[in-house]
Amino acid sequence: DQQVKQNSPSLSVQEGRISILNCDYTNSMFDYFLWYKKYPAEGPTFLISISSIKDKNEDGRFTVFLNKSAKHLSLHIVPSQPGDSAVYFCAAGGPAYNTDKLIFGTGTRLQVFP
Amino acid sequence: GAVVSQHPSRVICKSGTSVKIECRSLDFQATTMFWYRQFPKQSLMLMATSNEGSKATYEQGVEKDKFLINHASLTLSTLTVTSAHPEDSSFYICSATGTGGPRDGYTFGSGTRLTVV
Repeated sequence: DQQVKQNSPSLSVQEGRISILNCDYTNSMFDYFLWYKKYPAEGPTFLISISSIKDKNEDGRFTVFLNKSAKHLSLHIVPSQPGDSAVYFCAAGGPAYNTDKLIFGTGTRLQVFP
Repeated sequence: GAVVSQHPSRVICKSGTSVKIECRSLDFQATTMFWYRQFPKQSLMLMATSNEGSKATYEQGVEKDKFLINHASLTLSTLTVTSAHPEDSSFYICSATGTGGPRDGYTFGSGTRLTVV
C-alpha cells in the first residue's frame, strides 16, 4: 500500500522555466510533508517542508503548496537551473503523537536542459 | 548544519559473510535514527527505527535477525547485515533526528552501496 505517490517518474524542463513536481498521499493523519533532492549514490538532501496547518511555504526558488482536501502537494522550482537536475522525493510524516517516521514517495527524476 | 556521517560508502562482500554499516551524528545528539533501503529506481523503504539505548522497531517484512541494528550511544548507530546474500545488495541509507524530533531536522547520511557476490 503506497501511502505517498509520485505519479510522474520523470520530468524534463527547459532552463529558466518553472518545474512542478507533484505528490499525492492517502493517509489523512499525516501532518507534515517534506521534499528531498537526491543525486545518485548519495543520501537525500532536505529542500523544504510544510506543516498541515499551512497551504504554502516558500524558500528562495522553491515553493511547496499543500491542498489537504485533495491530499495533494506540489513543489515549484522557478527559475529552474541545470543544477536542479536530480531525483526529487516527497515524504510525509505524523501524526506527532504516534510516530515521527517518514514515508517516502517513489521519486520524480527532474532534468533541466539548457 | 547537522551532519550525519555514514561509512563505508561502498562495500563488496562474499555471500554468507556479515557487513557492518556505521552511522554517526557529528554535531548533534541523535535520539532517533532510521535505516532505509533503496532499490534501483525505487523509493526509500524504511527498514527500522532505533532509539538510543533501546531495541530497534522493525517495519513489517524486515527480518530483525538478518538486519541487526544497534544504537548504543547518542551519536552512533550500526546496521549489520548478517549472512549476506546477493538479494541483500542494495543502497542503504541512515538518517537521524535530534532532541527536537524530525520537525527540527531530519538529516541523512550519504548512503552505503552494498554488493554481495
